[in-house]
Amino acid sequence: GQQLNQSPQSMFIQEGEDVSMNCTSSSIFNTWLWYKQDPGEGPVLLIALYKAGELTSNGRLTAQFGITRKDSFLNISASIPSDVGIYFCAARDNYGQNFVFGPGTRLSVLP
Amino acid sequence: DVKVTQSSRYLVKRTGEKVFLECVQDMDHENMFWYRQDPGLGLRLIYFSYDVKMKEKGDIPEGYSVSREKKERFSLILESASTNQTSMYLCASSRALLAGEKLFFGSGTQLSVL
Repeated sequence: GQQLNQSPQSMFIQEGEDVSMNCTSSSIFNTWLWYKQDPGEGPVLLIALYKAGELTSNGRLTAQFGITRKDSFLNISASIPSDVGIYFCAARDNYGQNFVFGPGTRLSVLP
Repeated sequence: DVKVTQSSRYLVKRTGEKVFLECVQDMDHENMFWYRQDPGLGLRLIYFSYDVKMKEKGDIPEGYSVSREKKERFSLILESASTNQTSMYLCASSRALLAGEKLFFGSGTQLSVL
């Protein structure tokens, strides 16, 4: 079945550093979503991408829809302590009813 | 802003009890979903519904049922709760699956079955 892989699995960074994480698949998708989840909370939508090559920003966050439609990237600039959490990617093709999810990247920000 | 509201943040139930988890969305979304989230297993789809009174099985429907009598409300039912159903349950909703759709989640219900 369709699967999404996320890397890295976890990362520890210093406050103020930039962060990059990615989401890859062997399947082609037409919608990519990025979420952040705080402990004990539901995932919150950060960025949505709908076109191959699309680059979209939301404050310090920037995400790109890969040209091959098999991957997406999320960058966080100048990290702050509240960026701590788990970041999930989700994707859907034009034929499926449902989204598939990556396993998440756990981000820790050290002061 | 879209709001997906789950009725309980935390629930503690006993084995064998019938459990109802309620979810309400306020954006007139056609699609509603129930997921469970477990450490190391990610989000797994239990059931979804794309219209009132319609339901489809997801990846792990065993031990669960659902009800969608009104467009805004989607209920997950554990007919006889078991300890392996201890988990975080997440409800989500979206518009009909056209280009440009987004999936919005509730805050989750942490269910413990003793």
